[in-house]
This record gives sequence, structure tokens and C-alpha cells, in this order.
Amino acid sequence: QVQLVESGGGVVQPGGSLRLSCAASAFTFSSYGMHWVRQAPGKGLEWVTFIQYDGNNKFYADSVKGRFTISRDNSKNTLYLQMNSLRTEDTAVYYCAKGGLAMDVWGQGTTVTVSS
Amino acid sequence: QLVLTQSPSASASLGASVKLTCTLNSGHSSYAIAWHQQQPEKGPRYLMKLNSDGSHTKGDGIPDRFSGSSSGAERYLTISSLQSEDEADYYCQTWGTGIPWVFGGGTKLTVL
Repeated sequence: QVQLVESGGGVVQPGGSLRLSCAASAFTFSSYGMHWVRQAPGKGLEWVTFIQYDGNNKFYADSVKGRFTISRDNSKNTLYLQMNSLRTEDTAVYYCAKGGLAMDVWGQGTTVTVSS
Repeated sequence: QLVLTQSPSASASLGASVKLTCTLNSGHSSYAIAWHQQQPEKGPRYLMKLNSDGSHTKGDGIPDRFSGSSSGAERYLTISSLQSEDEADYYCQTWGTGIPWVFGGGTKLTVL
């Protein structure tokens, strides 16, 4: 069955960096756009970034623009999120999601905590 | 600016029906949306894409108890024959220019 599994979360100090991964299976990864969406503790969902199926177009929320970079390796069926200059307000569960306009498959999430 | 508004909470009895609302802000009443469910301590789950004319396409395995409808700028999610596992947060989501993807604030559904 279609599955997305995130990894790479952890605890990092403010100003630090972290790279998240999302391993996809049971669908043609290279044919679909992919998103990262996050959820701060006790809060709602916040869209973070999107990458087109071939990696040629990327979009970012203003809150992460210039600090986060989305990328993908279609040969490895894997999506990435490089997070630099992390702030305490980036603390959240990060989900990857398949889809273009609507996210139609979600992972279970990986937790990122930014704290000194 | 594209904004989706949801009531923070809703409740209904086991076996009953409930209708959740998502409202698009002025100038965006023709937009399609998607509904997502998030059960406690789980990742979100895609329920359906809902068009302005009320037509909708459900995700794989979504029960017939879940349906969508539209009226003007309002998008609805109706859940019939409520079960305990329907107790969850429900988010609407849409897309547009400017801020490409937007979520509503979510509705917490309590099954009594």
C-alpha cells in the first residue's frame, strides 16, 4: 500500500540545522509533487513547502523562505527537507505528503524540537 | 489573501450525523478544497476533494458515511452514523496564488 515514512527529527539548538527525509513506497514517486507540512504543539496544520514531480519548481511559506530547502531524489524515492537557522518557533511535527493541489497521502510525521 | 474559516469545535451523538463547515473568504467562493481527518496522536488522513458545485472525489478506503457538499463560499463535510473513531480534528485545505497552500484552523469533533 502507498506509504510515506519520515525520519531525521530530533532536538537541535536555535541556529542549528537538521535534514529530514521521507521515504516513499508503492507508488511512482517520480510522477508526483510532494509537500512538507508541520504542526506545532497543540496547533493546526501549516503548509511549509512543495516540490514539483521533477524537482524543477519549488514553493515555500514565507515563514521558512531562505532557511529551508526542499529537494528530492527520484532514483531513491526519497524527499528531503534541509532546515537551517532553526528557530524555537520551528518546533513541530513535520509531515511529508504526496500530491499536487490536494495532499492525498500523509506520513506519520517526525518531531523537531528547537531548544537551548 | 486566501483564508479558510472553521468553527473550533463541534459535537454530536454516537450514531447521529454532523455537518462541519469550511468558509472561503470573499473573492474565493469558486475554489475547490480538500478535507483531512486527524485522529488523536496520528498523522492526517485525506478524506476528499470537494468542488464548488458539490461534486467530490474521496480518498481510497473512505467510508460512504463521509460526504461533501457546497453552497456559495461554504464547503461542508457531513459524517453520518457517527462512530467513536470519528472523534478527531478535521481540516479543510485549499490552494491559490500568493500563499499557494492554505489550511483552515481545524474543527475538533467530539462524539458524545
